[in-house]
Amino acid sequence: AQSVAQPEDQVNVAEGNPLTVKCTYSVSGNPYLFWYVQYPNRGLQFLLKYITGDNLVKGSYGFEAEFNKSQTSFHLKKPSALVSDSALYFCAVRDVSNYQLIWGAGTKLIIKP
Amino acid sequence: EAGVTQSPTHLIKTRGQQATLRCSPISGHTSVYWYQQALGLGLQFLLWYDEGEERNRGNFPPRFSGRQFPNYSSELNVNALELEDSALYLCASSPDGNYGYTFGSGTRLTVV
Repeated sequence: AQSVAQPEDQVNVAEGNPLTVKCTYSVSGNPYLFWYVQYPNRGLQFLLKYITGDNLVKGSYGFEAEFNKSQTSFHLKKPSALVSDSALYFCAVRDVSNYQLIWGAGTKLIIKP
Repeated sequence: EAGVTQSPTHLIKTRGQQATLRCSPISGHTSVYWYQQALGLGLQFLLWYDEGEERNRGNFPPRFSGRQFPNYSSELNVNALELEDSALYLCASSPDGNYGYTFGSGTRLTVV
């Protein structure tokens, strides 16, 4: 079965430190992978996607994600965290049967000053 | 280009009443997805409409229903409201699944 896992409910990082939000997936064929961010009481905003090509994908707000096929992972990263990065982050993968997105449970990122 | 718009922003209803939520997709997007998000938690898939047809449905009771109009806008109807229906209802649109979704800001439904 196709699935997405975000193993951490919450990640705490000090401002200025690098951050990583983890995502692993299970899907047949080549994965289409996405990261979204949600600020309080708002809809989700697209950050970046991997469809093909370079394994390191750059996105909005200085975020990037690394696609690792052997580890079936697509971790979100940022070299230097900002307090304003505090939000809920969702990873998603495209369902190969119907093109719907399958969502992870979300990871709450807290950046402390 | 206008984004995905949802109305109303907030909705307060009494238990047992009906709620109607509306969504206008981005121009050119034919697919509309509805999600329920309770208490800032994960996304629970409700419904997917494409080209006016219901394509898939999540694990919700039949009192959750909807439709898509010829202009691709969509309505979500929730009948016989229960307290646990209180949540943020998110609508998203997509031209196809290859490029992900664009979300609206949501409708906050409160059932009292």
